[in-house]
Amino acid sequence: DVVMTQTPPSLSVAIGQSVSISCKSSQSLVYSDGKTYLHWLLQSPGQSPKLLIYQVSNLGSGVPDRFSGTGSQKDFTLKISRVEAEDLGVYYCVQATHFPLTFGSGTKLEIK
Amino acid sequence: EVQLVESGEGLVQPGSSMKLSCVASGFTFSNYGMNWIRQAPKKGLEWIALIYYDSSSKYYADSVKGRFTISRDNSKNTLYLEMNSLRSEDTAMYYCAKGATVENWGQGVMVTVSS
Repeated sequence: DVVMTQTPPSLSVAIGQSVSISCKSSQSLVYSDGKTYLHWLLQSPGQSPKLLIYQVSNLGSGVPDRFSGTGSQKDFTLKISRVEAEDLGVYYCVQATHFPLTFGSGTKLEIK
Repeated sequence: EVQLVESGEGLVQPGSSMKLSCVASGFTFSNYGMNWIRQAPKKGLEWIALIYYDSSSKYYADSVKGRFTISRDNSKNTLYLEMNSLRSEDTAMYYCAKGATVENWGQGVMVTVSS
């Protein structure tokens, strides 16, 4: 199985700051069709996960452009510019290139 | 608006069976693969099964292979997960999620396996 190593496990940031979350995979996530199926999710407290970014860098529906994703092959980053209170929760990366789909262990974002 | 609504939650004894449903609306259900993903209490996310849009292929996590069966009825816009030989470690919130991008999730249903 592809291991997704997500860091840091937690972050505490002030409103308006920027943060980055790293996700590294044990194998390349480039699929045979040339696409990279690496996505980012946010699970707000008491809620089901919500898609933020799909295929590395594409914003999900209704997701503000404060969120951005970069990376390639095995190394990916989620950046949140100008953090807002509503951004708190647990962020997960997930790869859907290889079966089984595997998730990072999560990064808990707290607001100072 | 895409909606995924799971049902079938409950408390069952080890070794018993249970069936979850996920009713989809707001998109053409028959065009999309669908996933079941679970989350044990205070834990991370675990993908457990995928079914292709036309049921031609099904994939399972090793942790549930041989015990769980994913299926769908495109005429009813409904996804199913039949769970047999349930174990305490199957206790979790179960979510259905749409597509290879897991772009939409249901609200989840809680399955508790305990004697």
